Amino acid sequence: ETGVTQTPRHLVMGMTNKKSLKCEQHLGHNAMYWYKQSAKKPLELMFVYSLEERVENNSVPSRFSPECPNSSHLFLHLHTLQPEDSALYLCASSPGVSYNEQFFGPGTRLTVL
Amino acid sequence: DQQVKQNSPSLSVQEGRISILNCDYTNSMFDYFLWYKKYPAEGPTFLISISSIKDKNEDGRFTVFLNKSAKHLSLHIVPSQPGDSAVYFCAASVISNFGNEKLTFGTGTRLTIIP
Repeated sequence: ETGVTQTPRHLVMGMTNKKSLKCEQHLGHNAMYWYKQSAKKPLELMFVYSLEERVENNSVPSRFSPECPNSSHLFLHLHTLQPEDSALYLCASSPGVSYNEQFFGPGTRLTVL
Repeated sequence: DQQVKQNSPSLSVQEGRISILNCDYTNSMFDYFLWYKKYPAEGPTFLISISSIKDKNEDGRFTVFLNKSAKHLSLHIVPSQPGDSAVYFCAASVISNFGNEKLTFGTGTRLTIIP
């Protein structure tokens, strides 16, 4: 595997379910990010991690819970989501948080019923 | 309040001609600007960038121009090729309160190259 991978690519869940999104980067980077892209809206930064430490939490509701067990893996745990949380969730990585260029995964298309 | 705006949701250009994609921003603190390209079912991929201290950066067929006084940047692709058909996102970077470089994205412009 190369670059940034995300699983699953598609996810449909009910509002009472608990699920997790997984991201893995194979680039040796130290910073990882979660973004949300809703229809006709720009990408919105959700969380930033640097060397497994959360650097930024962009006023994201607590029903989204990130986890970064090491610098190569990032998870987004989901519980009691709302239909308006349906979106494309993108993971990205960069060599460090001071770098501008970020490398993105293909995203997980989430639908909340 | 959208700090980075791409006012053209779509653009169609004949193959071989020049494609010009535009982006406007409002935050004068942005210090770096990037263009990303996105194909369906893939994540955005970095294309080209420019520092706020420069007004032009060129990489092969791609050139980015920055007009700081107008808070405007543009991406020129010449000559345009069918493989350039994609959604193009403009992004601007600023150091956040937490010390990290934070990207703010536009909504994207879908470019279609007509053979």
